Amino acid sequence: QVQLLQSGAEVKKPGSSVTVSCKASGGTFSRFPINWVRQAPGQGLEWMGGLMPLYGTPTYAQKFQGRVTITTDESTRTAYMELSSLRSEDTAMYYCARATTNYTQYYFDHWGQGTLVTVSS
Amino acid sequence: DIQMTQSPSSLSASVGDRVTITCRASQSISSFLNWYQQKPGKAPKLLIFAASSLQSGVPSRFDGSGSGTDFTLTISSLQPEDFATYYCQQSYTFYSFGQGTKLEI
Repeated sequence: QVQLLQSGAEVKKPGSSVTVSCKASGGTFSRFPINWVRQAPGQGLEWMGGLMPLYGTPTYAQKFQGRVTITTDESTRTAYMELSSLRSEDTAMYYCARATTNYTQYYFDHWGQGTLVTVSS
Repeated sequence: DIQMTQSPSSLSASVGDRVTITCRASQSISSFLNWYQQKPGKAPKLLIFAASSLQSGVPSRFDGSGSGTDFTLTISSLQPEDFATYYCQQSYTFYSFGQGTKLEI
């Protein structure tokens, strides 16, 4: 049974950085890329970035280029998402999601429970 | 970037109704289209992948179709637990989501 367990809620000051972790249990960690999706209050889902299998390195949505860093630690089966230069608009629920494949396409079949990041002075 | 547009943004229906949600891509994405259901306070749940493949454990009343730029999610007979927000997602070039369709009683 695959489970993704995220770190707890964070309150940050504008201009600071936040790191959210996502620990995987069950399944083969390195085989399934972890992606990060955020959801501002009352808004829709927004893909931030993730590990793209064809590229082999993290890839980021253009909107977050230069501000987000996604890393993984295979020894602890944990993925991390760091977002810097925080502003109030970054207040959101942040989800990690495992991408799996039917050998031709990828889709997110398992999600973490979400981590609420609040940016406030 | 590929833009995904869902319609309608919200939809009122009753238990037992048949409902259809539409998703349009800004360019052809073949069948690289997934559907998710999200309930308040919960993470999204995968319903349909590759436009029409039903995820394991998802009831057969959920059906996806389409290819190219136009896709639909149909729920054949609404159940009380189906009232939620639904999102489409393209996986043709990286990922992007539609804005969501809120299905209300």
